[in-house]
Amino acid sequence: DVKVTQSSRYLVKRTGEKVFLECVQDMDHENMFWYRQDPGLGLRLIYFSYDVKMKEKGDIPEGYSVSREKKERFSLILESASTNQTSMYLCASSLTGSGYGYTFGSGTRLTVV
Amino acid sequence: QKEVEQNSGPLSVPEGAIASLNCTYSDRGSQSFFWYRQYSGKSPELIMSIYSNGDKEDGRFTAQLNKASQYVSLLIRDSQPSDSATYLCAVNPNDYKLSFGAGTTVTVRA
Repeated sequence: DVKVTQSSRYLVKRTGEKVFLECVQDMDHENMFWYRQDPGLGLRLIYFSYDVKMKEKGDIPEGYSVSREKKERFSLILESASTNQTSMYLCASSLTGSGYGYTFGSGTRLTVV
Repeated sequence: QKEVEQNSGPLSVPEGAIASLNCTYSDRGSQSFFWYRQYSGKSPELIMSIYSNGDKEDGRFTAQLNKASQYVSLLIRDSQPSDSATYLCAVNPNDYKLSFGAGTTVTVRA
């Protein structure tokens, strides 16, 4: 089974902290994605990467950055956490090609206090 | 116009009934279509994919695709309380990113 592993299930951070969310996949997928999901707003794409060291902004990149130094790992960085970044963060990966869906990680519920 | 639109919920069905979920998409060049199930507090899980016009059945689930009408649906037959979840429609208009609908929440009442 394809596995996408997110490092933390629950995280509580203070306002202004730098926060790292890690995601690792074990099926050699080229594409990796970071979403946040909030009630009533659905899935919103933050950043995605289609290759090592490549990144593209999604719909809501402000306040976030990403890093992909190795194919299997995609990190989301909150440079200075704010309370409005309290959310469920979902990582996903996929192969390239129109026939492929995503495999999601189990999610990280981040609370910024 | 949103890229992917789903019928607004919530949808409440009695146990044993058919739940019908609908989805329309705007990009006529889309080739692949997916249904994800998301339980409360959990991440989305792929349950169906469909690529050709017509019906595709998997157990109690049937996906239906009509590319001319830009319409994809999911039928859940003999609905069970364990089917209570939010169902996300996703469309692949290119080789990289999926476009997701907002989801339809289904409640199966015993």
